[in-house]
Amino acid sequence: DVKVTQSSRYLVKRTGEKVFLECVQDMDHENMFWYRQDPGLGLRLIYFSYDVKMKEKGDIPEGYSVSREKKERFSLILESASTNQTSMYLCASSLGIPHEQYFGPGTRLTVT
Amino acid sequence: AQTVTQSQPEMSVQEAETVTLSCTYDTSESDYYLFWYKQPPSRQMILVIRQEAYKQQNATENRFSVNFQKAAKSFSLKISDSQLGDAAMYFCAYRNAGGTSYGKLTFGQGTILTVHP
Repeated sequence: DVKVTQSSRYLVKRTGEKVFLECVQDMDHENMFWYRQDPGLGLRLIYFSYDVKMKEKGDIPEGYSVSREKKERFSLILESASTNQTSMYLCASSLGIPHEQYFGPGTRLTVT
Repeated sequence: AQTVTQSQPEMSVQEAETVTLSCTYDTSESDYYLFWYKQPPSRQMILVIRQEAYKQQNATENRFSVNFQKAAKSFSLKISDSQLGDAAMYFCAYRNAGGTSYGKLTFGQGTILTVHP
C-alpha cells in the first residue's frame, strides 16, 4: 500500500515566520507534487519534482520554494509566511505517466 | 494551458439513487487522461476512476461510471446506488499523456456531494 505522509495535520504560524511543510512517500516514486487547496478554486499546483534535486514551478509558485534532497522526501518552504498563504496544502507522489497520483492527508496552515 | 471546470459546487442525492457530476475541460492535446478523485471529510484524496482519451469505451468501476464525450470535451461521473459513504468532495482532473508534463494534474473546482438517508 502506497503511503504518503505529511508532517502536520494542522499548523498555526505568525506572519513573517519561515514555515516548513514536509512530505514523505514510501514507494520509491520519482515524481512528487505540492498543491494548495482553496474553496471554489480546487487544487492548484505550486511546485513539483521529477527527481532528487530537480524541481519545476507549477501554476502558483510565488512566495514558495521547495527542496528535494532525498527521493522519498519533498519539502515546501514558505520563506516569509503571509496571511494569504492560509490554506490546505496537499502533497502527492506518482511513478509518472500514466500512473495515478497518491495524496497525503493534507496540512491545514493558518497564518495569523 | 488546460482548464477544467466543474459547474456544480454542490449536489445531493438520496441513498440508493443515482447522481451525475459534471465536468468539462479545455485542451488542444489529443492524448490525455481524465480522472475523478474523491476527498471524504477529513480524509485523504483517493482515485475513483480514470479514462484514457484514446479509448472510446467509457470507464467503469463498480458503481462508478463515466460518460466521456471527447468532441464535446465533457467527462461526467455517474454514481449508481448511492451510499452514505459516497458523501465527499469530488474533483475532476486532467493530465497530458506525454511530453514534459511529468504527470501534472489540472483540477476542477470540486463538487460537494451530500447523500441523504
